[in-house]
Amino acid sequence: EVQLLESGGGLVQPGGSLRVSCTSSEFTFTGYAMSWVRQAPGKGLKWVSSISGRAPNTYYADSVKGRFTISRDDSKNTVYMEMNNLRVEDTAVYYCARDWLLENWGQGTLVTVSS
Amino acid sequence: EVVLTQSTLSLPVTLGQPASISCRSSQSLLYRDGNTYLHWFQQRPGQSPRRLIYKVSNRDSGVPDRFSGSGSGTDFTLEISRVEAEDVGVYYCMQGTHWPRTFGQGTKVEIK
Repeated sequence: EVQLLESGGGLVQPGGSLRVSCTSSEFTFTGYAMSWVRQAPGKGLKWVSSISGRAPNTYYADSVKGRFTISRDDSKNTVYMEMNNLRVEDTAVYYCARDWLLENWGQGTLVTVSS
Repeated sequence: EVVLTQSTLSLPVTLGQPASISCRSSQSLLYRDGNTYLHWFQQRPGQSPRRLIYKVSNRDSGVPDRFSGSGSGTDFTLEISRVEAEDVGVYYCMQGTHWPRTFGQGTKVEIK
């Protein structure tokens, strides 16, 4: 099974910024759409953002639009989520997933927004 | 926004017995390409989600054949023919037809 690896999570104050990354050594990112899904502590899954494979189009949940930016660097086999103006309610485990159909998931990276 | 309703939030089941989880959509999930982008995910305790079923009824590689998906339009079902201990966890439906993508609230399967 394809393994995805997220990194970059941590503790940040409200209003702060953080960038999380997702990479894999097991497949070539080029051509694959990638997505971010988050899960607040004890809660369900919420889709955050997706980026298409080529001539990248980006899509966002209303709750993060204007604050989060998804991007990709296929030469590094990596997708990123730049998160600005973070709020307490953004606290969650952030998962990346492969393809429009979310075929494979990573283990997640925890982002905690707290003062 | 498309709302997916999993009406059963907790489902206690007896080992070896069948289980059924429903997912109802507020809009049709039939896409103009003829596909219906309704998928099912399993999240075992302490683990990442794992896709079980994609496009209503296609089982992922390695998923036991006791899992099956069915439905069309706005009503979908995930069935487990004989529940095993390893099936404990939360099951989510998710739609990939409309933006934004949305998930159901999740159904927690536990052993009686």
